[in-house]
Amino acid sequence: QKEVEQDPGPLSVPEGAIVSLNCTYSNSAFQYFMWYRQYSRKGPELLMYTYSSGNKEDGRFTAQVDKSSKYISLFIRDSQPSDSATYLCAPAHSNFGNEKLTFGTGTRLTIIP
Amino acid sequence: NAGVTQTPKFQVLKTGQSMTLQCAQDMNHEYMSWYRQDPGMGLRLIHYSVGAGITDQGEVPNGYNVSRSTTEDFPLRLLSAAPSQTSVYFCASSYSRVGEVSRIPGEQYFGPGTRLTVT
Repeated sequence: QKEVEQDPGPLSVPEGAIVSLNCTYSNSAFQYFMWYRQYSRKGPELLMYTYSSGNKEDGRFTAQVDKSSKYISLFIRDSQPSDSATYLCAPAHSNFGNEKLTFGTGTRLTIIP
Repeated sequence: NAGVTQTPKFQVLKTGQSMTLQCAQDMNHEYMSWYRQDPGMGLRLIHYSVGAGITDQGEVPNGYNVSRSTTEDFPLRLLSAAPSQTSVYFCASSYSRVGEVSRIPGEQYFGPGTRLTVT
């Protein structure tokens, strides 16, 4: 079993829809949960992170973690064509600088105008 | 700041050839790493370095070599290219130091990538 599983999609939704992107993980020691966004032919960039269980909101984006079920979600409200990208989840054990990240395979999202 | 730069952007190699992928950062970051990205496989860590003179293997190190003589540069060498090494390669760097708490957990800055094809 992979440490991090992510539905690769692709996922296409109309503009303005609510998008739900999900990951599952197997290692209960993960404490920090990152979401990276990668535009086509670009490097990934950190979108947001959460610590432990709960929700974190940043504008139209909400990251949610349920540690009891080892389930990570990213919700995008009022989706825009500019949100079209691949989204990668990446849990981590700690917030120390030498932490190696384990990335999910990524979900390719297309927002249709 | 230029951030993380990678050269070349594209490269085609024949099986058995060797080459070096260049990576440089101007942010004075201690932590640098190399990933490869393949369809359906996500980003996989090849090698990483926690500072000048210190390197270690990641998940998929075979066929690759690294060194870190300066804080700024972290080249990746392909010793004898194979078709299985056809991939997109990303270099990344991070501010934080070993044993220090990150200002932003999990924050890594990625370069634009090198698309490598081995025929």
